[in-house]
Amino acid sequence: DGGITQSPKYLFRKEGQNVTLSCEQNLNHDAMYWYRQDPGQGLRLIYYSQIVNDFQKGDIAEGYSVSREKKESFPLTVTSAKKNPTAFYLCASSPRDTFPYGYTFGSGTRLTVV
Amino acid sequence: AQTVTQSQPEMSVQEAETVTLSCTYDTSESDYYLFWYKQPPSRQMILVIRQEAYKQQNATENRFSVNFQKAAKSFSLKISDSQLGDAAMYFCAYRISTFSGGYNKLIFGAGTRLAVHP
Repeated sequence: DGGITQSPKYLFRKEGQNVTLSCEQNLNHDAMYWYRQDPGQGLRLIYYSQIVNDFQKGDIAEGYSVSREKKESFPLTVTSAKKNPTAFYLCASSPRDTFPYGYTFGSGTRLTVV
Repeated sequence: AQTVTQSQPEMSVQEAETVTLSCTYDTSESDYYLFWYKQPPSRQMILVIRQEAYKQQNATENRFSVNFQKAAKSFSLKISDSQLGDAAMYFCAYRISTFSGGYNKLIFGAGTRLAVHP
């Protein structure tokens, strides 16, 4: 079945470490997105990518980095510079012309700073 | 800037009853799309229903329907015959299009947590 796979489900980061969240899709979608979810704040866009080797900053990109070397993969790195990175992270994808399909979401990664 | 507001952080409903979740948005665009997503305890986001702004007819998907009031910039979700499985966080979302490439960016509200009581 086609879908989006996020790994790991739970991730713990020590202070001063970079960590990378994986997102893989087999839907042949061109566009991929990373959102951060905090209680009471809904989902906020971190980065998005419409095509391979291209990506754009979202609303809260500071302290994060991404790459898009393959159409199927859009990993997110939370750098040591990011303050308060504890949150739930959701990856999504969509065809280039998304409506009426909306987004397909992964099952998320819970990141905790210890 | 476009914003989406969900003014009800929590709602509850009795099983088999009807509940309405509110959503308002702010935009200067005339053509856009609106969505309701459901996030159950598994945290998987599920598309519930969508609405095109140029359509006057309200969208319906089985027990889920919307009341789209374009002039008022209101997009409420009605759940009829509520079931225990409807208990979840519900997010309203607005689709923005940028000028270059038609990027599809969704803007989400803060969510409404719905509890369903037997």
